[in-house]
Order: sequence, then C-alpha cells, then structure tokens
Amino acid sequence: GNSVTQMEGPVTLSEEAFLTINCTYTATGYPSLFWYVQYPGEGLQLLLKATKADDKGSNKGFEATYRKETTSFHLEKGSVQVSDSAVYFCALSDTNAGKSTFGDGTTLTVKP
Amino acid sequence: DAGVTQSPTHLIKTRGQQVTLRCSPISGHKSVSWYQQVLGQGPQFIFQYYEKEERGRGNFPDRFSARQFPNYSSELNVNALLLGDSALYLCASSAAGTEVYYGYTFGSGTRLTVV
Repeated sequence: GNSVTQMEGPVTLSEEAFLTINCTYTATGYPSLFWYVQYPGEGLQLLLKATKADDKGSNKGFEATYRKETTSFHLEKGSVQVSDSAVYFCALSDTNAGKSTFGDGTTLTVKP
Repeated sequence: DAGVTQSPTHLIKTRGQQVTLRCSPISGHKSVSWYQQVLGQGPQFIFQYYEKEERGRGNFPDRFSARQFPNYSSELNVNALLLGDSALYLCASSAAGTEVYYGYTFGSGTRLTVV
C-alpha cells in the first residue's frame, strides 16, 4: 500500500534560517504529492502541490520538487518567520484509492 | 463563501455511547471525506462520499458509518465508543475527483474525547 515518511521532529529554528523538511513516499502508480500545514487548533490547509515528476510546487516562499527517482518531496524555505511555526504534513493521493495518505507530521518552531 | 464547516467543535462522550459528527462542504463541492487524526499522528482516511454514494472506506471497524445528504452535507456516526476513538475528526471537501490533483479543503475538525 501507499505510505509517506517524514523526518521526525520537532524542528526548532531561528528566524531567517533555512528550512528543509524531508518527505519520502511509497506508492503504486503515479501519485500527486502535497504539503499541508496545520496551525494550533485548526484543520489542515493546503500549502503546495505537485502532480507529476519534476514539477515544483510553491507558495508563500515554500517550495518542493517531485523527485520520482528518489521518491521524495522535500519542503524548503529560504528564510523562515515566527509565523511559520506549525505542523507540516506531507501527503500523497492516487487516482485509484480515492483518498490521501499522510505522514505523521513535523512540528516546526521558529524563534525570534 | 463559507469554507468547510463542522459541528460540534468539541465533544465529550462516555465509553459505549454513540456520537454523530456533522459536516457541510464548500458550496459546489459534491465530495466529502472523513479523516481521523490521533494526537501526534497524521490524518487517517475513514470514508469518502460522492453524490450520496460511498466511494471509499478506510481500515476502520463497522462501528464507524457515514452518509451524505442531497445537499452534500455529511454525517459521521461512531457507535460503542472506545477510549481509542478520542481524536480530531476532520471533514474534507472537494469537487468530484479533483482531490487527486488539487488537494482537499479541510474543516477545523471536531475534537472528540471519550472518557
């Protein structure tokens, strides 16, 4: 079956530091890949997506590239802000399953 | 337009009781999916409904059931509650079949605590 593995957290960074959160996946077929963000007390919000190999998703300064050869979709941001503190989830969807499979999330804390 | 709305926001139930959670999707979205998020873990798929038909079911016991109404709103029912059912229950809406390409829009969830 499908699975998503995220780097274990929590991750603590200083403001303006570079962020990388690793995500690798296992899937049959050709899934779409997503990053969602969850702020305290809220549901998940879609951050960015990529639907095919070598696509780059980007939003709010965050980027991730769909790497089929390494089955990865690492999240990066060049300069984090305190407001980026949240839990980040990597996920995949495939056309056959009618569902998404999520990683366990990585908690990011950015300190001023 | 309103986003995905879920009710109630918080709920406390006793073991063995039954609970009903409600969700209204974004206007125009005909598909509703339910996910369970246990503290410290990622969401786990429970059900997907489209046009009132069950389109997918995750690995959950028969105590979990759901339905979708003609206005595309949905209810999730859980019978014979166990302590392990304590979680955040998330509803996600999408236009039919588009979650594969565009992702979901999630509600804020219902926090269920079983004591």
